[in-house]
Amino acid sequence: GAVVSQHPSWVICKSGTSVKIECRSLDFQATTMFWYRQFPKQSLMLMATSNEGSKATYEQGVEKDKFLINHASLTLSTLTVTSAHPEDSSFYICSASRGLGDTQYFGPGTRLTVL
Amino acid sequence: GDSVTQMEGPVTLSEEAFLTINCTYTATGYPSLFWYVQYPGEGLQLLLKATKADDKGSNKGFEATYRKETTSFHLEKGSVQVSDSAVYFCALSMNTGFQKLVFGTGTRLLVSP
Repeated sequence: GAVVSQHPSWVICKSGTSVKIECRSLDFQATTMFWYRQFPKQSLMLMATSNEGSKATYEQGVEKDKFLINHASLTLSTLTVTSAHPEDSSFYICSASRGLGDTQYFGPGTRLTVL
Repeated sequence: GDSVTQMEGPVTLSEEAFLTINCTYTATGYPSLFWYVQYPGEGLQLLLKATKADDKGSNKGFEATYRKETTSFHLEKGSVQVSDSAVYFCALSMNTGFQKLVFGTGTRLLVSP
């Protein structure tokens, strides 16, 4: 149990376009979902935390208007990278939890390459 | 700010060898500490955790002890298997809800038959 999926697993897009990444909790209801970014040989950096039905809370230095997060249901959160540029190329990972004190369950990640 | 430092990999071992992956942390208070494992093509999975000093977390033959005096949480296993080949992440959380995790850079373990 407690499986989290991400779609797509990889995506290549042109500079200036927008890309949407989906994160789904397949067998549980996720009150809270998290989005992380990972650069090569670096740790996962938390970008934002979202609670179902509420606006996401972004970490310092993360542009809200560039990384749009929607958590419209208890099983789905989306991250949209708007007007993507090559520096946005990265590995994006989501996680989901049932609530405070619960373990975070991670998705397998999405590799974004912006040309 | 809070941070986690782990040894660089890859760590290459033969089957049945003893494993240690070092992890130290810097935090303003007393964090909860975690080890996550990522198998190829899969998401990170919680391996074990410890929430206070001197606690020992253990799972699947792995164990780690929360050492406040050395700010460390080293991962150990007495006899590794080929199936343990994965990337291991050490992490901390400063709040009781485990909501915000701060990760180390990950250590790749390669176990050969």
